[in-house]
Amino acid sequence: QQQVKQSPQSLIVQKGGISIINCAYENTAFDYFPWYQQFPGKGPALLIAIRPDVSEKKEGRFTISFNKSAKQFSLHIMDSQPGDSATYFCAASKQTGANNLFFGTGTRLTVIP
Amino acid sequence: DAGVIQSPRHEVTEMGQEVTLRCKPISGHDYLFWYRQTMMRGLELLIYFNNNVPIDDSGMPEDRFSAKMPNASFSTLKIQPSEPRDSAVYFCASSTQGRGGYNEQFFGPGTRLTVL
Repeated sequence: QQQVKQSPQSLIVQKGGISIINCAYENTAFDYFPWYQQFPGKGPALLIAIRPDVSEKKEGRFTISFNKSAKQFSLHIMDSQPGDSATYFCAASKQTGANNLFFGTGTRLTVIP
Repeated sequence: DAGVIQSPRHEVTEMGQEVTLRCKPISGHDYLFWYRQTMMRGLELLIYFNNNVPIDDSGMPEDRFSAKMPNASFSTLKIQPSEPRDSAVYFCASSTQGRGGYNEQFFGPGTRLTVL
């Protein structure tokens, strides 16, 4: 059973546009929501993360929006660039000793010039 | 630090052969994770260790898969016998308890396994 559901599976955006990727979860015990970015041939790397005590977190062109009541969170990439072309994974975790992450299925983003 | 190191980067083998994937975590990290990535199933957690002890292996698909961590700087994932459906990219990741109890997992470059 997929603990974190992610959509869309793929996304094509024009350079300068806004990329939006959505995720939803069911387990209310989750209290840490990171996004990982993966370039072809590389392992995923942490991009940005949020805790449920805030509704939004912004780092440069990347923003996470979090809706605790709806159990949804999303990644917004403003002014998308061709260098942002990658696969993006949302994830969720509980603050336990392991913090093992439950990943979404990934979104392949292509930003066209 | 060199980051998480995995070897080999690519492995091509024939069905029925034994395959061993290797991982060296980041020094000082006390958690180690093995993942499998396929187009169909995305990133799947296979097993993770804490202080060299396996904690949760519920993601290991079958008895053909086994993982060990004999010391803090080395882990192996073994498939015996291998099957074509095992073809995937296998990632190792390591982490340590961060501030506030949240861990960032650092991934290795992965091993692309092809079983013919």
